[in-house]
Amino acid sequence: DADVTQTPRNRITKTGKRIMLECSQTKGHDRMYWYRQDPGLGLRLIYYSFDVKDINKGEISDGYSVSRQAQAKFSLSLESAIPNQTALYFCATSDSRGGDTEAFFGQGTRLTVV
Amino acid sequence: AQSVTQLGSHVSVSEGALVLLRCNYSSSVPPYLFWYVQYPNQGLQLLLKYTTGATLVKGINGFEAEFKKSETSFHLTKPSAHMSDAAEYFCAVSEENQGGKLIFGQGTELSVKP
Repeated sequence: DADVTQTPRNRITKTGKRIMLECSQTKGHDRMYWYRQDPGLGLRLIYYSFDVKDINKGEISDGYSVSRQAQAKFSLSLESAIPNQTALYFCATSDSRGGDTEAFFGQGTRLTVV
Repeated sequence: AQSVTQLGSHVSVSEGALVLLRCNYSSSVPPYLFWYVQYPNQGLQLLLKYTTGATLVKGINGFEAEFKKSETSFHLTKPSAHMSDAAEYFCAVSEENQGGKLIFGQGTELSVKP
């Protein structure tokens, strides 16, 4: 089983719908992240959480919200999806106890908003 | 704010030829530096990283990179390309002890011709 698991892997939704992307990890890491990948733009940070009670906006948080339900779970919500939120979304984790020197990525969720 | 620039969105080499992917960053403080690889329909895998110490860093699959502070560069090289190296490569930076909170370049797609 993957250490960082994202569900669903693929999703097509309609404009205006609320959608949640979920991420769970078995690595025991305290820090979790949501990134968005767009062609030609690389990956950009949406939100990050350094522990369960610490949630911070990233570079492109508008239109998104997150919830850290437990140390192992970090979900990303689009309250009212719009077509320009069509992208590949990645969850990642890192470990502050190890000096936080590396991120570990999930397999990604491909979201299409029509 | 930090930024990362990867020169060339597409690079094509022949099998057996040198691979050189360029990355420059803007930072007044030496950051952590990373190269990640993304194979089709997969997540990101760490190739190598520089956090401290030796500036020539060796990674997986025969890749290496050299941190040059004076040039603010972290170029990725491999002496002899293999067909299996075809993928997208991302350079990224982070602040010290925040290796999960990454700023990415736009990515370079590497093609390997037989």
